[in-house]
Amino acid sequence: DAGITQSPRYKITETGRQVTLMCHQTWSHSYMFWYRQDLGHGLRLIYYSAAADITDKGEVPDGYVVSRSKTENFPLTLESATRSQTSVYFCASSEPRQGMNTEAFFGQGTRLTVV
Amino acid sequence: AQKITQTQPGMFVQEKEAVTLDCTYDTSDPSYGLFWYKQPSSGEMIFLIYQGSYDQQNATEGRYSLNFQKARKSANLVISASQLGDSAMYFCAMREGYNTDKLIFGTGTRLQVFP
Repeated sequence: DAGITQSPRYKITETGRQVTLMCHQTWSHSYMFWYRQDLGHGLRLIYYSAAADITDKGEVPDGYVVSRSKTENFPLTLESATRSQTSVYFCASSEPRQGMNTEAFFGQGTRLTVV
Repeated sequence: AQKITQTQPGMFVQEKEAVTLDCTYDTSDPSYGLFWYKQPSSGEMIFLIYQGSYDQQNATEGRYSLNFQKARKSANLVISASQLGDSAMYFCAMREGYNTDKLIFGTGTRLQVFP
């Protein structure tokens, strides 16, 4: 199906484990983003990518690693999970066009619990 | 510094009444875009409306309109004729400049519509 999909939808992991959240989009959008959503903080940008092999930090990048070897995939890795990384993670994509009105399209979210 | 401020953690409105959700922003870039997203209890992020910094008129999309006051740096969302299905979290977001598609979000407002 066309769109943006995240996997897994739910994940429980232990402190110190490495975990990777997957994001795949079928639109060939240039930009992809990872946000985390926490009560009282709204959505905070972790990392974003303007194109394959181009990534940049957002507001809260510490403890996370991203890569983008292909346009359609943008995995997010927690190298050593901590309880503070328990959150709902959203992947999004967008394609710039003339003007500023390019909305981002979001995946369904991944609920990650670190115990 | 906070770029997007939503000062109302929660709002209540009676069905069929109008409601205004506040959003103020901070930027020194003359080119920017403002977005509103809705997040129902199911969790997905739904794009509602967009306003560009150079747009002369306030944006409207069906029952949604954006009260854009540039000098005050505010972009309030107005929902007319509220429906029970409007109960959700609402996020204001901003994109600065033409060189990036990065979206920065506010902390959100939870709207509850009662019969």
